[in-house]
Formats: sequence, C-alpha cells, structure tokens
Amino acid sequence: AQKVTQAQTEISVVEKEDVTLDCVYETRDTTYYLFWYKQPPSGELVFLIRRNSFDEQNEISGRYSWNFQKSTSSFNFTITASQVVDSAVYFCALSGRSNFNKFYFGSGTKLNVKP
Amino acid sequence: GAGVSQTPSNKVTEKGKYVELRCDPISGHTALYWYRQSLGQGPEFLIYFQGTGAADDSGLPNDRFFAVRPEGSVSTLKIQRTERGDSAVYLCASSADGYNEQFFGPGTRLTVL
Repeated sequence: AQKVTQAQTEISVVEKEDVTLDCVYETRDTTYYLFWYKQPPSGELVFLIRRNSFDEQNEISGRYSWNFQKSTSSFNFTITASQVVDSAVYFCALSGRSNFNKFYFGSGTKLNVKP
Repeated sequence: GAGVSQTPSNKVTEKGKYVELRCDPISGHTALYWYRQSLGQGPEFLIYFQGTGAADDSGLPNDRFFAVRPEGSVSTLKIQRTERGDSAVYLCASSADGYNEQFFGPGTRLTVL
C-alpha cells in the first residue's frame, strides 16, 4: 500500500524565517517517485519537484531545498528566508512502480508567512 | 502555452441531479487524470486515461461516477444522481506521457444542495 503522511497541519512563521515541511511515506515498491506541489489560495496545484527513489541527492532551487532520506522514508522540504508569497498549502505525493500513474497525496501542510 | 483548463469553475446543483465537468488538458499530453479534493484534504485519485481509454478507474467511488475522453483530448467527468457527499473540488491533471509530473487545472468546485 502507498501512504503519505504530513503530520504538520498548519505552520506559521514570520517573514525571513526558515521553515521545514515534513513528509513521511510508505510504499512496498522499490522504485517510486516523490513529489511536492504548492496550492496557493487561488486553488491551482503547482508542481515544485519530482524525485526518483534511486536518487538520494538533496536538491536546491533558489530558496527551496529538499532532503530525501530513504533510511527514514522522508522527503522534507525547506524554504529559506520565507516570504509572504510562500503562504499556501503544500502537498507531498508518492507514486510507485506498481502504478506510476496513481498519485497518493498527503493531507497537506498549510504555511502562513506573516510580514 | 496554455495550461489545463476546467469548466465550470463552480457548479451548484440539487441532490439527485446529473452534472458534467469538463477538462481540457495541455496540448499534446496523452495522459489525463481526475482527482477529488475534499476540504482540508489532499487530492484523491479517481481515474486515469491514456489516450482515449480509461487505463485505471479504481478510484471512482461508485457507479454513479463515469468519465470519458472520446478523442484523446478533452475529458468529461459525469456524476449521476448527485449526493451531498459528492460536494468537493474536482481536479483534472495531464502529463506528457504518464510517467512524468502531472500538471493540474484550477478545479471545479461542486456543491450539492
């Protein structure tokens, strides 16, 4: 079975603070993909990153960075120097080799960045 | 180019009525997906099309739900005899080939009174 857990329901930070969003996954597939999406108040899900299970290198894109650790089944997302525009709901998702087309989403973490 | 579009953006209907929700994927994308998102939850998979055929409809909750993609582009999600529990945002996504990231539309908010 595939499952994604985002234990943090809501996080509030003040602008310029760093914030880490946690994602823990479960899968029996040995090959799988992990994703992060952003859902701003407008509602449209915006793709941020895809990570393959065989690539554990961390990735940095501007103020965003991702820490993938297979040993703890986690794929955490850090925003450095947060900005008000980062306020949104962030979803972690998983798809496995058994069915790559079926994405399993976590329940999301709502990030509030206050000025 | 244009992203995934969905119409209508909002739909209010009465219990027992029939509704159709439309999705226009990114041009050239062969894979199309429908998800349902309830308040405070992540999207839940409903159905996946590769071309014109439904490759996986395991997420459809019951036989009141049906989706088509007759020409391999636009898709319609059809819900018969709507119930109040069907109220949610219905999201459509497309991807280039079914093995890459999915790009989502803005969704249709369905309210069943």
